[in-house]
Amino acid sequence: DSGVTQTPKHLITATGQRVTLRCSPRSGDLSVYWYQQSLDQGLQFLIQYYNGEERAKGNILERFSAQQFPDLHSELNLSSLELGDSALYFCASSSWENNSPLHFGNGTRLTVT
Amino acid sequence: GNSVTQMEGPVTLSEEAFLTINCTYTATGYPSLFWYVQYPGEGLQLLLKATKADDKGSNKGFEATYRKETTSFHLEKGSVQVSDSAVYFCALILDSNYQLIWGAGTKLIIKP
Repeated sequence: DSGVTQTPKHLITATGQRVTLRCSPRSGDLSVYWYQQSLDQGLQFLIQYYNGEERAKGNILERFSAQQFPDLHSELNLSSLELGDSALYFCASSSWENNSPLHFGNGTRLTVT
Repeated sequence: GNSVTQMEGPVTLSEEAFLTINCTYTATGYPSLFWYVQYPGEGLQLLLKATKADDKGSNKGFEATYRKETTSFHLEKGSVQVSDSAVYFCALILDSNYQLIWGAGTKLIIKP
């Protein structure tokens, strides 16, 4: 058990809809990362938050947004969903220490129909 | 730019065979190196890490040595088991930006 909790495990929705994915980091971890894993694109970094503030942005679409709350949990919002957004979305957390490893949740499998 | 290159999979081996999954990197500065493993239906787990040249990371019978001269971090195991079947990701992180840079992943299939 990595200590990172993601909900829901599975999500099925229609094109054009909006969904919210939730992540609770490991106790004490200040950084939260979001990744998208799809068959054709592999593991893609989306965005990172550190102690409530956006730290880095990767290949995140404008239709997607995220935030980290004062209690350090994070939400990833996906809107105007397209079929190609179907993927596994992983959250990971790490401590404040330089080069500390990431600990991943089990992911949310999103299916857009 | 910074990048990680892994050998393409799938890699198929028989139980008790010797495993090597190659990983090489390009990075400015002095990265830390990681191997992550993803078992079927699960999230990624940290397998091992090395933070400086010549460090050897080890866990669950797997080993990898940080070779700065060859910019490599190859994953090895002396005798694989069916339960080792998974996707293995090599990754690096730089002090400067704290982001992980990933290899494409190598699927490992172990046959009994």
